[in-house]
Amino acid sequence: GQQLNQSPQSMFIQEGEDVSMNCTSSSIFNTWLWYKQDPGEGPVLLIALYKAGELTSNGRLTAQFGITRKDSFLNISASIPSDVGIYFCAGQEDAGGTSYGKLTFGQGTILTVHP
Amino acid sequence: GAVVSQHPSWVICKSGTSVKIECRSLDFQATTMFWYRQFPKQSLMLMATSNEGSKATYEQGVEKDKFLINHASLTLSTLTVTSAHPEDSSFYICSATPGDEDSYEQYFGPGTRLTVT
Repeated sequence: GQQLNQSPQSMFIQEGEDVSMNCTSSSIFNTWLWYKQDPGEGPVLLIALYKAGELTSNGRLTAQFGITRKDSFLNISASIPSDVGIYFCAGQEDAGGTSYGKLTFGQGTILTVHP
Repeated sequence: GAVVSQHPSWVICKSGTSVKIECRSLDFQATTMFWYRQFPKQSLMLMATSNEGSKATYEQGVEKDKFLINHASLTLSTLTVTSAHPEDSSFYICSATPGDEDSYEQYFGPGTRLTVT
């Protein structure tokens, strides 16, 4: 089946530093998504990317959809303590047929921010 | 808008018993709901896709007779873990999508922590 490789697995940074994480896939996705999950909660959508080459920002977050449609990265600028959590990339299959927009998640990046 | 709830938020049960988890879309109609399982420090793994009024589609390796899914209405799907065992202890998360032309975005519930003793 499809697999997403997300790296790094974990990051320990100082408040104010920038963060970058990325995802690569063995196959093409037409939609890439980035989520954040806090402990004991469901994931929350941060950024959605719908077009190859697209660069999208949401506050201090910036994400890009790779030209090959097999990769994406997420940058967080000027990190703050509340950025702590697990970040997941996800590729979404086309909604046609029996897929219904199924998501495949990366392994996650655990972010720790030291004040 | 687009709120998904789960009930209960946590449950402890004895080995051999069955547990039902509910997933509700509170402010939209969900043609499709998804059930995920997440073990500690791991990613979300899709268990099954549930469409209202039809049988769920299970991912490879997920036992459909053990994880019973019912999507009886456009706002409710239930997951029943039958004859639960300690290895079924996990965090179960559902998501729901309107599934119309405008959006196949999935909205996630807060999760249910199942502990089987």
